[in-house]
Amino acid sequence: AQKVTQAQTEISVVEKEDVTLDCVYETRDTTYYLFWYKQPPSGELVFLIRRNSFDEQNEISGRYSWNFQKSTSSFNFTITASQVVDSAVYFCALSEPYNNNDMRFGAGTRLTVKP
Amino acid sequence: DTGVSQDPRHKITKRGQNVTFRCDPISEHNRLYWYRQTLGQGPEFLTYFQNEAQLEKSRLLSDRFSAERPKGSFSTLEIQRTEQGDSAMYLCASTTSGATNEKLFFGSGTQLSVL
Repeated sequence: AQKVTQAQTEISVVEKEDVTLDCVYETRDTTYYLFWYKQPPSGELVFLIRRNSFDEQNEISGRYSWNFQKSTSSFNFTITASQVVDSAVYFCALSEPYNNNDMRFGAGTRLTVKP
Repeated sequence: DTGVSQDPRHKITKRGQNVTFRCDPISEHNRLYWYRQTLGQGPEFLTYFQNEAQLEKSRLLSDRFSAERPKGSFSTLEIQRTEQGDSAMYLCASTTSGATNEKLFFGSGTQLSVL
């Protein structure tokens, strides 16, 4: 069965610090998709990234970067030079090609960035 | 570009009452999902529609829950004889079909409180 673990429940940093959010997943499939979503206080989940299991290349988008390591079943998310607006709950999620209806989310990590 | 909209944003009801929520997906999206999110947890899949057809229902969706998407556009989720355990955020999401495991676009959710 697919499973996503986000061991960090809450993280608090001071503005401009770098922060890494961990995500570890379990799946029996060789083909799968990983996602990160951001949920600000408004409640709406905002898509950040989608990565398939065959693409282990790390990705950078502005201050955001993602480190996908199949060997350790991890898909970690780093925010560089954090800002107050980054404060939100971040969810890692996993879905499998023939089970698109059941995107499995982790419990989330609440990030607080203090000024 | 209007996003996914949900109505109402908040609903307070007494135990035993029926409630109905509405979701309007992004207009060109033919897949629509309902998720439930409780405090400190990630969203959990409830059900999804491809156009007007309800293709999958989670075991979380008891007999008291029913969802419809009569014309393949908006969807409603009804909970009959509400219980305190139904208190949660109910999230709607939509996406296009065709490609597998596409990102989901979420609404801001309906927060249900059952007293």
